[in-house]
Amino acid sequence: AQKITQTQPGMFVQEKEAVTLDCTYDTSDPSYGLFWYKQPSSGEMIFLIYQGSYDQQNATEGRYSLNFQKARKSANLVISASQLGDSAMYFCAMRGKAAGNKLTFGGGTRVLVKP
Amino acid sequence: GAGVSQSPSNKVTEKGKDVELRCDPISGHTALYWYRQSLGQGLEFLIYFQGNSAPDKSGLPSDRFSAERTGGSVSTLTIQRTQQEDSAVYLCASSLARAGANVLTFGAGSRLTVL
Repeated sequence: AQKITQTQPGMFVQEKEAVTLDCTYDTSDPSYGLFWYKQPSSGEMIFLIYQGSYDQQNATEGRYSLNFQKARKSANLVISASQLGDSAMYFCAMRGKAAGNKLTFGGGTRVLVKP
Repeated sequence: GAGVSQSPSNKVTEKGKDVELRCDPISGHTALYWYRQSLGQGLEFLIYFQGNSAPDKSGLPSDRFSAERTGGSVSTLTIQRTQQEDSAVYLCASSLARAGANVLTFGAGSRLTVL
């Protein structure tokens, strides 16, 4: 079985500052993928970043970076230079063969960027 | 089409009625997923289709829920004898394949309200 935990239900961040969203996971799979999605108030799910369990480097995509600590089973998302448009729900998710390759989501973290 | 298309976008029905929700995935995507998102909650996995393989139905909450995927493309999620607790947004997603870094692209969702 695989499980994703996001312990921060909500957080405020000042515009232009960085914010770290926590994500821990549990799996018996030796090979798995970790994803982050953003869901603004409009409801659409927007893919942000992906990290493979065997990737040597931490993933980065523009202002998004993933702090992957395999031994700790954590995959925290870092958003640098926050913008007002970053206000949204953020979901961490993972996919592994043992769980039939379906994407399992955490409960999400709501981020509100203050001007 | 360019994205995942879902219809209807909104559906209001009376308790006890049957509803059908449709998903048209991105052309060429072999994997198709259905998720349910209740208000303010995370995404709950329902069912997953991959090519011609038997679908993974492990997330369907009761036998009132069923889904089919015809010709490896369009999928229909059917809820029979709807209950008020079925009220949620039903999200469909597709991807090129089931494993690895293949990103799930989500549709805009079908919001179901059961009165």
